[in-house]
Amino acid sequence: SQKIEQNSEALNIQEGKTATLTCNYTNYSPAYLQWYRQDPGRGPVFLLLIRENEKEKRKERLKVTFDTTLKQSLFHITASQPADSATYLCALPGSARQLTFGSGTQLTVLP
Amino acid sequence: DSGVTQTPKHLITATGQRVTLRCSPRSGDLSVYWYQQSLDQGLQFLIQYYNGEERAKGNILERFSAQQFPDLHSELNLSSLELGDSALYFCASSVDLGVGYTFGSGTRLTVV
Repeated sequence: SQKIEQNSEALNIQEGKTATLTCNYTNYSPAYLQWYRQDPGRGPVFLLLIRENEKEKRKERLKVTFDTTLKQSLFHITASQPADSATYLCALPGSARQLTFGSGTQLTVLP
Repeated sequence: DSGVTQTPKHLITATGQRVTLRCSPRSGDLSVYWYQQSLDQGLQFLIQYYNGEERAKGNILERFSAQQFPDLHSELNLSSLELGDSALYFCASSVDLGVGYTFGSGTRLTVV
């Protein structure tokens, strides 16, 4: 069955460092992959979409890579700030393009 | 304000009861999706509508049903409620199928 794994349920890093979050998937051949941010008690917020023919995508301090051979996406936040503390979710489309979300990685940026 | 409106924000009800959650998608978005998020689980996909038609079903219980109306708003009906149905229920919408969802702020359902 299709599976999405986001390793390390929680990640603590020091302010100013680069946070790297991992999303691995099995039994998918996605045309694209998305990353979302969720704050406690709030709905997820869309951050980035990367397509299968794109190796890397950037948006301000965010960078996403997508390796369809390894079936893995890496999500980087450079120069991290305490305001970046949240849960980050990766998501893949199903057969009807409904999104299935990973369980998320809770990032805490320590001042 | 994301542009996706969910009502009510909070709902407390007893076991065995029936409730209706409402979602108004962002203007121009034809797709509506419903998700359930429990404390110990991630976002679970329930059901998807596109321009009034059901497009995909996920792990939605038979006690739950949904519909999308001609004005594109959607309702999620939960009946014969059980304690385990307590969760945050999110609605999301998108312009195109599966791309860049905009989520509402959710309805927190507590079944007592």
